[in-house]
Amino acid sequence: GDSVTQTEGLVTVTEGLPVKLNCTYQTTYLTIAFFWYVQYLNEAPQVLLRSSTDNKRTEHQGFHATLHKSSSSFHLQKSSAQLSDSALYYCALSDPLSGGNYKPTFGKGTSLVVHP
Amino acid sequence: DTTVKQNPRYKLARVGKPVNLICSQTMNHDTMYWYQKKPNQAPKLLLFYYDKILNREADTFEKFQSSRPNNSFCSLYIGSAGLEYSAMYLCASSRDLSSGNTLYFGEGSRLIVV
Repeated sequence: GDSVTQTEGLVTVTEGLPVKLNCTYQTTYLTIAFFWYVQYLNEAPQVLLRSSTDNKRTEHQGFHATLHKSSSSFHLQKSSAQLSDSALYYCALSDPLSGGNYKPTFGKGTSLVVHP
Repeated sequence: DTTVKQNPRYKLARVGKPVNLICSQTMNHDTMYWYQKKPNQAPKLLLFYYDKILNREADTFEKFQSSRPNNSFCSLYIGSAGLEYSAMYLCASSRDLSSGNTLYFGEGSRLIVV
């Protein structure tokens, strides 16, 4: 099946500085969707971004990500990190099943800590 | 309302005893999932229901059971808990099984087996 790799388990950044969370994937399929989910402390994971279009920038809540199929990447970035961005971030993709259906596959997650 | 609720939030179980975790959603979603999350590991899909059809992952087929008595509820059942079952169990729902579907998660049920 497909796989998602998040190389950093923990990223720390100073408030106001840019941050980048890496996500790469392996898939043999051309038309699948990619997601970033965020989980704040003691809360449920929730979707942050979603994309299935190559080379198109997707933005939400100050974060942005661009799907690059040429490099199999969907990195998450923000130009100015805020203390409230501290959370666990999951990269995910829709893994194809038979019959045109899909199931979600997640990376290990990256903990982002923003400090003053 | 996009709430997915899980009960119990915390469960302490003895080795060899059964465990039953409950999940509910009010969004009339066709699909409900159960994931197991251990520290430093990716959430692992255990099984999912699409409507009334249960799909279990091959490597966890024998370890977990589930039921979905109606569209809103889904349970995860462990017949005989082992230490290796200690984990966070996340329930999620989605509208269907199409590629672009967003998952809506519950807050999780933390299981500790002793």
